[in-house]
Amino acid sequence: DIVMTQSPDSLAVSLGERATINCKSSQSVLHSSNNKNYLAWYQQKPGQPPNLLIYWASTRDSGVPDRFSGSGSGTDFTLTISSLQAEDVAVYYCQQYYTSPRTFGQGTKLEIK
Amino acid sequence: EVQLVESGGGLVQPGGSLRLSCAASGFTFSSYIMNWVRQAPGKGLEWVSSIGGSSTIYNADSVRGRFTISRDNAKNSLYLQMNSLRAEDTAVYYCARNGGHDDYYYYMDVWGKGTTVTVSS
Repeated sequence: DIVMTQSPDSLAVSLGERATINCKSSQSVLHSSNNKNYLAWYQQKPGQPPNLLIYWASTRDSGVPDRFSGSGSGTDFTLTISSLQAEDVAVYYCQQYYTSPRTFGQGTKLEIK
Repeated sequence: EVQLVESGGGLVQPGGSLRLSCAASGFTFSSYIMNWVRQAPGKGLEWVSSIGGSSTIYNADSVRGRFTISRDNAKNSLYLQMNSLRAEDTAVYYCARNGGHDDYYYYMDVWGKGTTVTVSS
């Protein structure tokens, strides 16, 4: 199974500041046939289900604010929130869908400083 | 509006059984792979099982032989029959749609609100 490891486990960022969450996979999730990274990011607010933010490592889902961006390739990925808003308080998960079982990172809890 | 609504959760004793349901609306249900994903209290997300439109099935090792996923395309419904339940199966169970229609290797783009399963004596 591919192990997804996120860092940090938690972070506190001031409103309006940049937040960066990292995700590392135990093997590459870059598919050579289509040059796509099989990596997604989800946001889960307290008491709510996960919500898809980013897929193919860098494509924002419909309706996701452009302050959210994804980057990286192969085994190392980053989710960046350019200017933190109060409504961004949540746990963020990365997920690989390159192989079965599709596995998630342990989550990163984002709070306001 | 695309929507998934889970039901069927509850309290069950270890070794017992439970059947979860997920009602889908707002999209062509039969064209999509559907998934069950669970989240134990205070823990992260764990994929459980998936089923394709033509009923191809994928299961996590942790539930293989105990849980059975199925679907009824005529009723736009997804099911999870859970047998031989253990304390470690206690979780919120989410129904989720695959983003890539009938391609398994895709992200999950629509999630239900979940149904809670508690396994305890």
